[in-house]
Amino acid sequence: EAGVAQSPRYKIIEKRQSVAFWCNPISGHATLYWYQQILGQGPKLLIQFQNNGVVDDSQLPKDRFSAERLKGVDSTLKIQPAKLEDSAVYLCASSAGTGSYSPLHFGNGTRLTVT
Amino acid sequence: QKEVEQNSGPLSVPEGAIASLNCTYSDRGSQSFFWYRQYSGKSPELIMSIYSNGDKEDGRFTAQLNKASQYVSLLIRDSQPSDSATYLCAVLSSNTGKLIFGQGTTLQVKP
Repeated sequence: EAGVAQSPRYKIIEKRQSVAFWCNPISGHATLYWYQQILGQGPKLLIQFQNNGVVDDSQLPKDRFSAERLKGVDSTLKIQPAKLEDSAVYLCASSAGTGSYSPLHFGNGTRLTVT
Repeated sequence: QKEVEQNSGPLSVPEGAIASLNCTYSDRGSQSFFWYRQYSGKSPELIMSIYSNGDKEDGRFTAQLNKASQYVSLLIRDSQPSDSATYLCAVLSSNTGKLIFGQGTTLQVKP
């Protein structure tokens, strides 16, 4: 089974620039998550999709972050404009469902550095 | 109070010893608890899940859950240098259904 694919692996941008990350979940997984992990902290949920609908985006800074999951498969996360505090690893994860017994499978992440 | 709390460490143990990692949580209604292992520069990997009070064993790993005390732990027996990683405790919120992570405990196993 192919895992969760993310690209790019690394990105360095200047503040106020824009950036986009891409995620392809495990085939057949209905639920897709974007997490932000700042160095030394645990992952923080930004947005959760069930198929192509948003289940939770309460912690997504909507003035600068946006995400979409067209056709219920791939997803993109965009930051515009970026701030220094956005420097983090952005992890995409997918699961077969939303129940207690649906473990999350994580991609390798995109490490973003904002200078 | 943080929703999921862990001591950031580092926790240093000699090879062959038992490593004990602890986690407390604030949501008394939570029913599902997970331990993820994260190697430096890598993504989190699920290693244990536990849903009932008591112990759950899987190889060298034992997860322990005490819902009354809102406490979950992970024991690693016969620790190996390859166990050196950050261990993340995650709790499924009963209110929101979101998986909430602690900050992680860094474990160092010294040969």
